[in-house]
Amino acid sequence: DADVTQTPRNRITKTGKRIMLECSQTKGHDRMYWYRQDPGLGLRLIYYSFDVKDINKGEISDGYSVSRQAQAKFSLSLESAIPNQTALYFCATSDLHGTDTQYFGPGTRLTVL
Amino acid sequence: AQTVTQSQPEMSVQEAETVTLSCTYDTSESDYYLFWYKQPPSRQMILVIRQEAYKQQNATENRFSVNFQKAAKSFSLKISDSQLGDAAMYFCAFISNFGNEKLTFGTGTRLTIIP
Repeated sequence: DADVTQTPRNRITKTGKRIMLECSQTKGHDRMYWYRQDPGLGLRLIYYSFDVKDINKGEISDGYSVSRQAQAKFSLSLESAIPNQTALYFCATSDLHGTDTQYFGPGTRLTVL
Repeated sequence: AQTVTQSQPEMSVQEAETVTLSCTYDTSESDYYLFWYKQPPSRQMILVIRQEAYKQQNATENRFSVNFQKAAKSFSLKISDSQLGDAAMYFCAFISNFGNEKLTFGTGTRLTIIP
């Protein structure tokens, strides 16, 4: 079984809808991350969490919110989706520090019409 | 702020040959880590290699090796004996050992393997 899972794998939604992307991990890592990938831009950090009580904004957090429900679960929400949030979204985890290897989930392809 | 530059949007190599992907970065820090990630068509991000900046020795993982030139801020990836399964996007990434947890990625190089 995969160590980092994301649901859904693909999602099409409409402008203005609220949508939640979920991430679960079985690696026992404390640190979890949400990234966004756009063509030609690489991956950019949206939010990251050191533990259940510690959540931090990344470089592109506007329009997004997160929830760390448990050590193993980290959700990303788009309160009111807009077309320019169409992208590939990745969840990642790392052990003690961000400099440790980050392990990525399979990604969620989100399309906002 | 750190930046990572991959100047080769696309590369191609004959199967069984060697190819080198370039990566340069800009930072004022001395303690950091560098990574190469592979993204095949399945879109999964897979770690290829990790390099600690304070280690002089270049990291290697089987057919993958890096040429880390700290003074030049260069971190190239060499793939030897290229195989069809190596076809993917390759991303170079940087993270400081201090400050925030931000992993900064380059824009990627698409590698095609020619049979």
